[in-house]
Amino acid sequence: NAGVMQNPRHLVRRRGQEARLRCSPMKGHSHVYWYRQLPEEGLKFMVYLQKENIIDESGMPKERFSAEFPKEGPSILRIQQVVRGDSAAYFCASSSNGQETQYFGPGTRLLVL
Amino acid sequence: RKEVEQDPGPFNVPEGATVAFNCTYSNSASQSFFWYRQDCRKEPKLLMSVYSSGNEDGRFTAQLNRASQYISLLIRDSKLSDSATYLCVAYTGTASKLTFGTGTRLQVTL
Repeated sequence: NAGVMQNPRHLVRRRGQEARLRCSPMKGHSHVYWYRQLPEEGLKFMVYLQKENIIDESGMPKERFSAEFPKEGPSILRIQQVVRGDSAAYFCASSSNGQETQYFGPGTRLLVL
Repeated sequence: RKEVEQDPGPFNVPEGATVAFNCTYSNSASQSFFWYRQDCRKEPKLLMSVYSSGNEDGRFTAQLNRASQYISLLIRDSKLSDSATYLCVAYTGTASKLTFGTGTRLQVTL
């Protein structure tokens, strides 16, 4: 029973490039959450999605960041024109029913040079 | 003020010691609480849920005091493998999201 999968595990981008982070939820889960962990800080909620819908994006920066969870395929967190401050670990979690039990993927570590 | 606050530590304890972590939360609408464990550069993993009645899982005991908005985790007979960062987490159903504290680092030594 595969858990939450994220790829790539590590991503290096130069300032101004785009970063695309992918998350495949656990089998049978239709609720996906993205969290960001800056160095030496706690995880911060970014966005909550269900298939084809953004439920809550209150934690997303207003510019350059977007997320989607299409009917088919993984959820994608997209960061346009990356800056050094975007360097962080991005964790995806999934749940079966939108309740509190969320299972985390291994994360994508983004480094912006 | 952060929604979930924890002492960052680090707590350095010898093997076999008992150690307690505390956490406070400010959002009275929070419904459920958890302790997660995060090893260096890994994803957080659920350690246990926290109930007002208290709950115990082996060497770990968690307690919630809603009146004081206070959560605790007690680890007895610490093992080297307990070394990690322990994250206090609140769940708010209306927002359906987890709010994490910054974590308390524990280092268990020989």
